[in-house]
Amino acid sequence: QSVLTQPPSVSAAPGQKVTISCSGSSSNIGNNYVSWYQQLPGTAPKLLIYDNNNRPSGIPDRFSGSKSGTSATLGITGLQTGDEADYYCETWDSSLSAGVFGGGTKLTVL
Amino acid sequence: QLQLQESGPGLVKPSETLSLTCTVSGGSINSRSYYWGWIRQPPGKGLEWIGTIDYTGSRYYNPSLRSRVTISVDTSKNQFSLKLSSVTAADTAVYFCARRWELRGYLDYWGQGTLVTVSS
Repeated sequence: QSVLTQPPSVSAAPGQKVTISCSGSSSNIGNNYVSWYQQLPGTAPKLLIYDNNNRPSGIPDRFSGSKSGTSATLGITGLQTGDEADYYCETWDSSLSAGVFGGGTKLTVL
Repeated sequence: QLQLQESGPGLVKPSETLSLTCTVSGGSINSRSYYWGWIRQPPGKGLEWIGTIDYTGSRYYNPSLRSRVTISVDTSKNQFSLKLSSVTAADTAVYFCARRWELRGYLDYWGQGTLVTVSS
């Protein structure tokens, strides 16, 4: 059971938009920055969004992040088949004094 | 370009200690702003945060693993290490090392991961 809750799977057609939610509590998302990672099959996770809504260099603006209260959301527009991957949210938990991940969401581009 | 590379045995016997090392190249582990950490992923499952350490040795562990985990840093070799004791089959996973920007920050560089299987 993960500290952060994500939907197990989401799907959408190519060119469409999808959002992935990440729900936590005041000890984690509510008072710390959220980051998002994309993990393509057989590869290491890759940083997509940091500090809630910032994109590292090289990440297209089709990817966006937001945070409200104790929840965060990853948005992906203009879906491509290459976006099929697992997506994870992560943040620091001040009560645990540890990092915590969401359970991951598998994105299928139909 | 910063690179991280995990190394260590791919097979560990039950009840023994898993030991992995992460070698950092293209940058120094001696940085006030960065932490260095370990994350694992059991086959077919999600990511699990194991722990993190900075160059001074200040460390933080996943509470569920704290009794069995030790993370250490060797600044002279630009490496940091993971030891997990009393392993069982449940510890079979791909183990990743990664760099973390500040304690409450994000994981910006990752190693490719190494599969460790616990089996007799």
